[in-house]
Parts: sequence; C-alpha cells; structure tokens
Amino acid sequence: EIVLTQSPGTLSLSPGETATLSCRASQSVSSTYLAWYQQKPGQAPRLLIYGAASRATGIPDRFSGSGSGTDFTLTISRLEPEDFAVYYCQQYGSSPWTFGQGTKVEIK
Amino acid sequence: QVQLVESGGGVVQPGRSLRLSCVASGSTFSNYAMHWVRQAPGKGLEWVAVTSYDGSTRDYTDSVKGRFTISRDNSKSTLYLQMNSLRAEDTATYYCARAGVGFGYYYYMDLWGKGTTVTVSS
Repeated sequence: EIVLTQSPGTLSLSPGETATLSCRASQSVSSTYLAWYQQKPGQAPRLLIYGAASRATGIPDRFSGSGSGTDFTLTISRLEPEDFAVYYCQQYGSSPWTFGQGTKVEIK
Repeated sequence: QVQLVESGGGVVQPGRSLRLSCVASGSTFSNYAMHWVRQAPGKGLEWVAVTSYDGSTRDYTDSVKGRFTISRDNSKSTLYLQMNSLRAEDTATYYCARAGVGFGYYYYMDLWGKGTTVTVSS
C-alpha cells in the first residue's frame, strides 16, 4: 500500500497569500496517478488536479500542481476567501487507492 | 446536469446489514468505473471499493473484504454497496464517486455524490 503523508497539517494564511502544500509518498508514484481534492465543511470532495499537474474542468489557474516520484506539491496563488478548506492528495495508480490525511488551509 | 445521489444510510446496530445506493443521472453511467469512499466523523477520506464499468472487476480495502460487496446495475444507472457484519468503525459518510475516464479503472475521481451517513451503534 502506498502511504501518502501531507504537510503541514494546518496552514494559516491571509487572503492574497500563496499556499504551498506538500504530499510525500512512501514509494514512487507515477505523476500520471496523483490527484488533489478540495473539501469544504459539509461538502463532498471536489477534484482540483489530476496527473499531478492538470487542472480539472472549471478549476481556476491559481491552483497548480507539480512534482514527481515521491514528492508532490499543490500551490494556491493569491488565496481567495473560498479557498480556505481541507486539501487531500490521492494516488490512483495501484490498489488500494489511497489519500493523504489532509492539509487544512485556514484564515489567519 | 451530471450528478450522483446516494441513499440508504441510517443508524444500524453492530453486526447488522445495510445497503447503500447511488443513482447517476446526466451521463452514461455504464461507461465508467465507480467507487465508494468513506469519511469517518472529523477524519480524512478512505477509499472503500471499486467496480469496473461493466462490473466484471471489483476491489476492496482490506478492512471491508468479506463483509462489503460493491455491485452495479447499468440498466438502472445505479451503484450499490451491500454492507454486512457492520462494526462501529464503519461509521462514516459514504460517498460514491466516478472514475474520471470512461472504461478505465485506475483513474482519479472526477464526480462525487453528496454522501449518505451510516452510524453503527447499539
């Protein structure tokens, strides 16, 4: 099983700032198989990024993904009020599909 | 509008059974692999099970193997999760989610339902 470890657990930032979220895998993950999701309280997760760097339909370009091997990053530039949420990385290249434990981006 | 709507959640005693359903509308359900993902209260996301687009291939997380069965009825655009021998640790919101590419298996999840809540308690 591929274990994904996200850091930090919580990120306290102000609107307009840049958030940098990390996802580290216990073994190499093809960049084809790494996704990021956003979840707000009481809502279902929403796909942001797939293939490590491709934005899903309708996702603003202030969201960007990068990385390869065991280290991946989600960057949110110019934080908007609606971006404060929990973010999960996920690998989907092998079973079991696994998620990181999440990073909460909160308003400072 | 493409959407997934789950139902069937509720409060159930340990050891009992429950069947969840997920109805898809607005897209060709039969073209896509489908997943169940759960989230315990205040916790992160946990993948539970997957079925291929035609139901011929299924897979489960270890903690539910032998207790849960994923299935689908493409004629009804409906996904199911039969949950037997329920335990307190199965308490969670259960989401159905669609694989992001048609006929594929190892893909991200591009469409999610709003979830249905299962509480296992005596």
